[in-house]
Amino acid sequence: DAGITQSPRYKITETGRQVTLMCHQTWSHSYMFWYRQDLGHGLRLIYYSAAADITDKGEVPDGYVVSRSKTENFPLTLESATRSQTSVYFCASSDGVLQETQYFGPGTRLLVL
Amino acid sequence: QKEVEQNSGPLSVPEGAIASLNCTYSDRGSQSFFWYRQYSGKSPELIMSIYSNGDKEDGRFTAQLNKASQYVSLLIRDSQPSDSATYLCAVNMGTDSWGKLQFGAGTQVVVTP
Repeated sequence: DAGITQSPRYKITETGRQVTLMCHQTWSHSYMFWYRQDLGHGLRLIYYSAAADITDKGEVPDGYVVSRSKTENFPLTLESATRSQTSVYFCASSDGVLQETQYFGPGTRLLVL
Repeated sequence: QKEVEQNSGPLSVPEGAIASLNCTYSDRGSQSFFWYRQYSGKSPELIMSIYSNGDKEDGRFTAQLNKASQYVSLLIRDSQPSDSATYLCAVNMGTDSWGKLQFGAGTQVVVTP
């Protein structure tokens, strides 16, 4: 049972490039989330999705795009990467039964040069 | 602005002692409360969830909730070096934001042998 996976685990890119971070879950959870974690800020919600084709902005959505055509996948795209987007990105999912408990993927460490 | 506040620490605890972590939240509509543990370089993992006022025990962990005071705490009994981690408090963002959690910045716990 793979649970929730993220790829790539590490990524180095340059300013201005487009980058897509992948998230895949095998639980058929309805809800999926993208967070970024920076020193001093904790986990901040970027986007979330309540179901396939339903997405909504979180606290820090600027510069990011998401889509969810299938329940199990929730990719996050940085349209034109900036140095301020250097961070650790976590994907999470929730089954909607156990009262909003979220389960996290292993994270993607992104460095924008 | 909905907020979740935690002392950043580090909280130094002798092995075998009780570690006490505190969390306050601003949204009176919050109904679900979570404690996550995050080891350095790893993703958050759920330790405890609590939804009703009072205490909830799970092994060496006890979560305490006081909705009137907007306060949730985590006690770790018989602390072990393996408990050294950052502990994140998470609170749901009210009845109009199902599924979304607000995270505190975390309290770093260091258990000293």
